[in-house]
Amino acid sequence: DAGITQSPRYKITETGRQVTLMCHQTWSHSYMFWYRQDLGHGLRLIYYSAAADITDKGEVPDGYVVSRSKTENFPLTLESATRSQTSVYFCASIGDRGYEQYFGPGTRLTVT
Amino acid sequence: GDSVTQMEGPVTLSEEAFLTINCTYTATGYPSLFWYVQYPGEGLQLLLKATKADDKGSNKGFEATYRKETTSFHLEKGSVQVSDSAVYFCAYRGSTLGRLYFGRGTQLTVWP
Repeated sequence: DAGITQSPRYKITETGRQVTLMCHQTWSHSYMFWYRQDLGHGLRLIYYSAAADITDKGEVPDGYVVSRSKTENFPLTLESATRSQTSVYFCASIGDRGYEQYFGPGTRLTVT
Repeated sequence: GDSVTQMEGPVTLSEEAFLTINCTYTATGYPSLFWYVQYPGEGLQLLLKATKADDKGSNKGFEATYRKETTSFHLEKGSVQVSDSAVYFCAYRGSTLGRLYFGRGTQLTVWP
């Protein structure tokens, strides 16, 4: 499928577990982003990446790890999930000369 | 630091009413400004944009004008429809890596 996809769409996990959220885009966009959306906070940037093997922290990176070995994939890992990481996670990408960030459909994560 | 402040919601309107959602920003230079919309259960989509002062972005009957003197980018629509019910996010693009800074979002509900 063309575009940007996220998997899984829904995930329930227990405190302390490691969980990885996947993001895949088909446009070969250089820039990719991970956001979390929480009521009252809007979207907050977790991590971003300018290209394969180049990543940097956003506003709320603690407890998260990212990698980008291939341009099209940008997985987000919660190393030891906590209840405060219950949220909706969005992946996005943008091309080098583009203005529009394209968003995936989101992953709703619940940590029990 | 850079930030976006938008009108607190929720906003509830009757169909065909006039809509204004206020947005102001704090940033250096001349950022590009955006409105994104999020329909229930979906990711964000670009609604409109403006890339320089006095530009007017428009789409689907929505308009917003980039006012540098007041650092504002208010969203307006003359006659809302039930299908406009969504969360609206104001954002600007900083100079670094196409990164977007989002407001907290405004929930709009339109009743028939």
